[in-house]
Amino acid sequence: DTEVTQTPKHLVMGMTNKKSLKCEQHMGHRAMYWYKQKAKKPPELMFVYSYEKLSINESVPSRFSPECPNSSLLNLHLHALQPEDSALYLCASSQDKGLDYGYTFGSGTRLTVV
Amino acid sequence: GENVEQHPSTLSVQEGDSAVIKCTYSDSASNYFPWYKQELGKRPQLIIDIRSNVGEKKDQRIAVTLNKTAKHFSLHITETQPEDSAVYFCGPRSGGSYIPTFGRGTSLIVHP
Repeated sequence: DTEVTQTPKHLVMGMTNKKSLKCEQHMGHRAMYWYKQKAKKPPELMFVYSYEKLSINESVPSRFSPECPNSSLLNLHLHALQPEDSALYLCASSQDKGLDYGYTFGSGTRLTVV
Repeated sequence: GENVEQHPSTLSVQEGDSAVIKCTYSDSASNYFPWYKQELGKRPQLIIDIRSNVGEKKDQRIAVTLNKTAKHFSLHITETQPEDSAVYFCGPRSGGSYIPTFGRGTSLIVHP
């Protein structure tokens, strides 16, 4: 298995809703990432997990809450989002941190906040 | 932090022509230089990468060249095809940080 799987593919949520994005990989990668991507822009880093521990939080608002239940799974819990949070949310993984490996990205969740 | 510039922002070519996209970085400690391709509505995908001990790498119609002295690396696509149309991002990574800094992207349009 050489893929990163993200669910759901599309999500529409109201500003008072609570929802979760899920990401799964079975490549034995020990670093996992959440990125946010707006149209025609590069991906923006949100969070990094290394060996299931949060190692980087790029000053993301607390309405986004990451979780790494085990080495294969990464979740992003969403609560009280704003319309400007509408974007493509990408999960990625890599073999390890500190080494020269590229990312494998998931297909993303296209989030619309109404 | 790393400053990354990618040029051009848009590149329009005829099918069969060559395309070159350049990425300039600031951190001399950078040691890993990948290129990602993102087709419309799809995920970014790693298409080629190069490490700091190598000057050039080829994979069929695509190649990456690295000039560490000048701190830039380039993506070369020969015999372009319409399916090469996409946004291409560079993402150099410093040895001191395992987080890449992405360029702003180049929209490549290949006209049949």
